[in-house]
Amino acid sequence: SQTIHQWPATLVQPVGSPLSLECTVEGTSNPNLYWYRQAAGRGLQLLFYSVGIGQISSEVPQNLSASRPQDRQFILSSKKLLLSDSGFYLCAWGQGVGDEQFFGPGTRLTVL
Amino acid sequence: LAKTTQPISMDSYEGQEVNITCSHNNIATNDYITWYQQFPSQGPRFIIQGYKTKVTNEVASLFIPADRKSSTLSLPRVSLSDTAVYYCLVEGAFGTGGFKTIFGAGTRLFVKA
Repeated sequence: SQTIHQWPATLVQPVGSPLSLECTVEGTSNPNLYWYRQAAGRGLQLLFYSVGIGQISSEVPQNLSASRPQDRQFILSSKKLLLSDSGFYLCAWGQGVGDEQFFGPGTRLTVL
Repeated sequence: LAKTTQPISMDSYEGQEVNITCSHNNIATNDYITWYQQFPSQGPRFIIQGYKTKVTNEVASLFIPADRKSSTLSLPRVSLSDTAVYYCLVEGAFGTGGFKTIFGAGTRLFVKA
């Protein structure tokens, strides 16, 4: 069966510090991968998606970046965090456009 | 891009049927409509997906009129454990090799005993 992992579960970082969140998927190959952010009490905002290794599409210009160094690994990064980067970050995978997305447990990031 | 609009919150009682409607006036021909459920501090979970007319699975039904500008999620006989946020999602191919997914703001459903 397929599983999706995210770490860390929670993170508290000072403004201006770097960020690296990792997401890995098991039990499937060549999945579409997604990074979402959810601000407190708000809906989900798609940040990045990837249809293959090294292929990243950005939905919202900001100080975040994403990379996919391996087929089932998706990394969200920032060189300098802003207060507005606080939120619940969710990684998801799916087989194709319009297919069901399976979400990871999420990382709650607090930038102070 | 299609924007989705949902009621902010709804209340219901155990055993009742709940209908949550989502508006997506600018939906494109190739877009699908998907509904997700989310509990606090968890990732959303797929409920049902449709393109047009009616779709039913073991947990819900999805009604989509012919013009596809809205959709209604129907939860039969809700229980306390159905208290959650329900998201309407429009997604589909965009441009050449592109992809778009638009989550609504979500509807908070409170089920009371």
